[in-house]
Amino acid sequence: AQKITQTQPGMFVQEKEAVTLDCTYDTSDQSYGLFWYKQPSSGEMIFLIYQGSYDEQNATEGRYSLNFQKARKSANLVISASQLGDSAMYFCAMRDSGAGSYQLTFGKGTKLSVIP
Amino acid sequence: GAVVSQHPSWVICKSGTSVKIECRSLDFQATTMFWYRQFPKQSLMLMATSNEGSKATYEQGVEKDKFLINHASLTLSTLTVTSAHPEDSSFYICSPTSGGVVKEADTQYFGPGTRLTVL
Repeated sequence: AQKITQTQPGMFVQEKEAVTLDCTYDTSDQSYGLFWYKQPSSGEMIFLIYQGSYDEQNATEGRYSLNFQKARKSANLVISASQLGDSAMYFCAMRDSGAGSYQLTFGKGTKLSVIP
Repeated sequence: GAVVSQHPSWVICKSGTSVKIECRSLDFQATTMFWYRQFPKQSLMLMATSNEGSKATYEQGVEKDKFLINHASLTLSTLTVTSAHPEDSSFYICSPTSGGVVKEADTQYFGPGTRLTVL
């Protein structure tokens, strides 16, 4: 079974609107971390936001917030006030102890396109 | 965030040649290095994990004799693609981390990547 599932291959959003990118995960660990990265066309992986499994409050970083629903095992990324520069691939990732080396496991990504 | 450099940023080579990719962590000591590969329009797939001074651990399906990883210092790791073939054409990304054991909360930073094209 996939550890990280991103069901939206592509999303469109109007500039200045908010958009939610979905991410569900699967782990049997009690302690784990969830990450979102942005990958523009240049290829660099840009860290956006982190949510720990024990964090009671949803993480926020500027225009990015993470809607963490632990019981549903979902960690959706919300981008508010979309900008043209937000057009990129977005990857959800998880780190747990299952693999032994605390490596990040990535979802397949969602391509976000911001429309002027 | 951490400063990570990769060199070269892109390389084109002939089939059968070897290519070396360098990854440097410029402002911290990288005790652990993750190497990822990303095919076009796909996600990042972990190739191998190396700890400074130790042999790398390769993921299932990754040929250790083809993808040679050296992590001899805390600031430099290299990935050598030996006898490259067109199917090795991909985007290779390194990700160094500091500290003895990577914890769940440790932010992981990535190099800018190297785009390899094998003709």
